[in-house]
Amino acid sequence: AQKVTQAQTEISVVEKEDVTLDCVYETRDTTYYLFWYKQPPSGELVFLIRRNSFDEQNEISGRYSWNFQKSTSSFNFTITASQVVDSAVYFCALSEAPSGTYKYIFGTGTRLKVLA
Amino acid sequence: DAGITQSPRHKVTETGTPVTLRCHQTENHRYMYWYRQDPGHGLRLIHYSYGVKDTDKGEVSDGYSVSRSKTEDFLLTLESATSSQTSVYFCAISERDRSNTGELFFGEGSRLTVL
Repeated sequence: AQKVTQAQTEISVVEKEDVTLDCVYETRDTTYYLFWYKQPPSGELVFLIRRNSFDEQNEISGRYSWNFQKSTSSFNFTITASQVVDSAVYFCALSEAPSGTYKYIFGTGTRLKVLA
Repeated sequence: DAGITQSPRHKVTETGTPVTLRCHQTENHRYMYWYRQDPGHGLRLIHYSYGVKDTDKGEVSDGYSVSRSKTEDFLLTLESATSSQTSVYFCAISERDRSNTGELFFGEGSRLTVL
């Protein structure tokens, strides 16, 4: 069965600090996709990144970076030099391959507070 | 932005009344989903659809039913609303094929309060 665990319920950092949000997943499938979403205080859900299970290359996009490690079933998200605008709830999600179920399973989210 | 519209955006109703939430998309995506968001639980899948008239249950489907008679519309119905169904409901769409699973695009959410 699919499962996503975000053990950090809430994190507070001071502006300009680096912060890492953890995501651990469980799946029996060998082909799957992982995602990160951001939910700012305004409430909308914003897609950040998609990664398939065959691509373990880390990705960097500006101040955001993602570390995918199949050996530990983790897909962690790091924000470098955090800003107040990064304050949001962040969700990690998992979906199995096209031949599997069509579900997207989410973790419970991590609330990030960046203090000025 | 993906063309997803949820209606109503806000609704207050009383226990025992039926409620229908509508999700309308203009992207012609095959897959549509209903999630509910509650503090401490994140996003939980209620029902999803993988085509017209093709639907299946998610992890929290009790008390909910869905229908999809057209590609663009996915309806979520609470036959007899209860206070435990007070939540924010999100519709989402995605596309996928044999070699690729796309990301979910979300609607703006519908806040339902059951008194």
